[in-house]
Amino acid sequence: LAKTTQPISMDSYEGQEVNITCSHNNIATNDYITWYQQFPSQGPRFIIQGYKTKVTNEVASLFIPADRKSSTLSLPRVSLSDTAVYYCLVPNTNAGKSTFGDGTTLTVKP
Amino acid sequence: NAGVTQTPKFRILKIGQSMTLQCTQDMNHNYMYWYRQDPGMGLKLIYYSVGAGITDKGEVPNGYNVSRSTTEDFPLRLELAAPSQTSVYFCASTSGSPPTGGYTFGSGTRLTVV
Repeated sequence: LAKTTQPISMDSYEGQEVNITCSHNNIATNDYITWYQQFPSQGPRFIIQGYKTKVTNEVASLFIPADRKSSTLSLPRVSLSDTAVYYCLVPNTNAGKSTFGDGTTLTVKP
Repeated sequence: NAGVTQTPKFRILKIGQSMTLQCTQDMNHNYMYWYRQDPGMGLKLIYYSVGAGITDKGEVPNGYNVSRSTTEDFPLRLELAAPSQTSVYFCASTSGSPPTGGYTFGSGTRLTVV
């Protein structure tokens, strides 16, 4: 399994850019990297996915170095509503198994 | 488009009782998953399915059973409920072979065993 490791928590202020890094040392050649946002009492919501280099959508950017053993989720100009837990997930493409890490609790302060 | 629907949303069980958590998706996804999330913790994979008729164990399968008779439905069965099974249960699905896209999660079932 591609076990992931993330910082437990991060603090930021409104308007700042936030970067959350995830380590996935055992990632396989065909594995993609996905990120999710979870608010209390809700299911996780898919944010972004990538395979290599950089991916950007209307919500975030995802940076993946050449060795693909880590990835960084970048949230531009965060607001209070971005306070949530963020998870990276590497779905195991060989067996369908997927293991979440413990997530990063992001707290955005005014 | 309903996505992933889970029922019930809440349930209280007595020790030793059994129940089935329902999960239905209308996106024709081949992969489906069951996770549990204990308070303040991450998600742990219980069982998954790569398609109708095919299921396999995840990290924490003990005390649970699943079936996948159709593409749409992936029920999770709890036999002889124990307090350690008090948790929030999430069902998820995705497509691809192998999966390459993001997962769609249901809103969860909050289960308390007393």
